[in-house]
Amino acid sequence: EVQLVESGGGLVKPGGSLRLSCAASGFTFSNAWMTWVRQAPGKGLEWVGLIKSRTDGGTTDYAAPVKGRFTISRDDSRNTVYLEMHSLKTEDTAVYYCMNLYFGYWGLGTVVTVSS
Amino acid sequence: DIQMTQSPSSLSASVGDRVTITCRASQGISNNLAWFQHTPGKVPKLLFFAASTLQSGVPSRFSGSGSGTDFTLTISSLQPEDVATYYCQNYNSAPRTFGQGTKVEIK
Repeated sequence: EVQLVESGGGLVKPGGSLRLSCAASGFTFSNAWMTWVRQAPGKGLEWVGLIKSRTDGGTTDYAAPVKGRFTISRDDSRNTVYLEMHSLKTEDTAVYYCMNLYFGYWGLGTVVTVSS
Repeated sequence: DIQMTQSPSSLSASVGDRVTITCRASQGISNNLAWFQHTPGKVPKLLFFAASTLQSGVPSRFSGSGSGTDFTLTISSLQPEDVATYYCQNYNSAPRTFGQGTKVEIK
């Protein structure tokens, strides 16, 4: 059974940092391109960024609002993808999901609240 | 950057009605478009990959079409369980933006 389990969310002050993890199981993670998507309260889905598989270069892409502040990385030995978030703003408050588009796999999400 | 524009932003239709949602890309994205269904309290569900490839388990009343800049999601006979917000997503190139969503309700 495929599972994506996010963790690491929580309450953080503006300007703070947080690292989210997404642990994958049930599929060949090393071949998968992994994406982070977020949904702010009352808003639609927002693409955050992507990391390609190592065989496809392992490169990353980011949405403009997070570029330079967020970093996506992966550890194929742990079947885990990470989202490192710095200089957090109140507008980063959202449910953060990891997903694999090709297979349509989504995690249940983890809540990040940026508030003083 | 590619912008994805969905219309309408919301609609209300009767059970059994045919419902059509459109998604327009600001530049051509070939058929590199996905459609998702997001029901409150659940995770988004992939309906279509490559614009028209129906995912396993998705009812055949759903269909997707289009290529280039104009895409359509059609529900041939709306059912109560189809109440959700529907999103298109460009995955042709970064940023892999979502449309703003179309909220579908039962009249």
